[in-house]
Amino acid sequence: DIVMTQSPDSLAVSLGERATINCKSSQSVLYSSNNKNYLAWYQQKPGQPPKLLIYWASTRESGVPDRFSGSGSGTDFTLTISSLLAEDVAVYYCHQFYTTPWTFGQGTKVEIE
Amino acid sequence: QVQLVQSGAEVKKPGASVKVSCKASGYTFTSYDINWVRQTTGQGLEWMGWMNPSSGNTGYAQRFQGRVTMTRNTSISTAYMELTSLTSEDAAVYYCATGESYCDRWGQGTLVTVSS
Repeated sequence: DIVMTQSPDSLAVSLGERATINCKSSQSVLYSSNNKNYLAWYQQKPGQPPKLLIYWASTRESGVPDRFSGSGSGTDFTLTISSLLAEDVAVYYCHQFYTTPWTFGQGTKVEIE
Repeated sequence: QVQLVQSGAEVKKPGASVKVSCKASGYTFTSYDINWVRQTTGQGLEWMGWMNPSSGNTGYAQRFQGRVTMTRNTSISTAYMELTSLTSEDAAVYYCATGESYCDRWGQGTLVTVSS
């Protein structure tokens, strides 16, 4: 199984400041035939299902604010919130859909400092 | 719009089975796989398996093999996930999710409580 490891487990950021979450996969999730990274980022708020933010590692889902961005390739990925708003308080998960069993990171809790 | 609506919360005794439904609307049900993901209280997300609604083909995570069955009724655009031999460790919120490659639509979740 591909193990997804996020860092940090939690972080507190001041409003308007940048939040950066890292995700490392135990093997590459880059599919060479189409040069796509099978990596997504989700946001989850209490009592709600996960909400897709980013797919193919860096493509923003429709309707997602542009303060959210994804980067990286192969085994190392980053989710950046450029200017944190109060509504961004949530748990964020990275997820590989490169191969089954699909796996998720353990989650990163983002709070306001 | 694409919507997945799941059945309501369940309370089961250890050793029992639970069957959760997931009704799809707003798209052609047979177009995309349905995946099932569970989330234990305070824990992260765990993928359980997938089902192709068109063919009925399934693939299960090894740890659930022999205990989980995913089925569908295409006439009512509904997918089902049945988990047997429940233990306290199966207490969780169960989600169905769908999408072309990644899951961009999720059900609201079904809370399953396992208690004697």
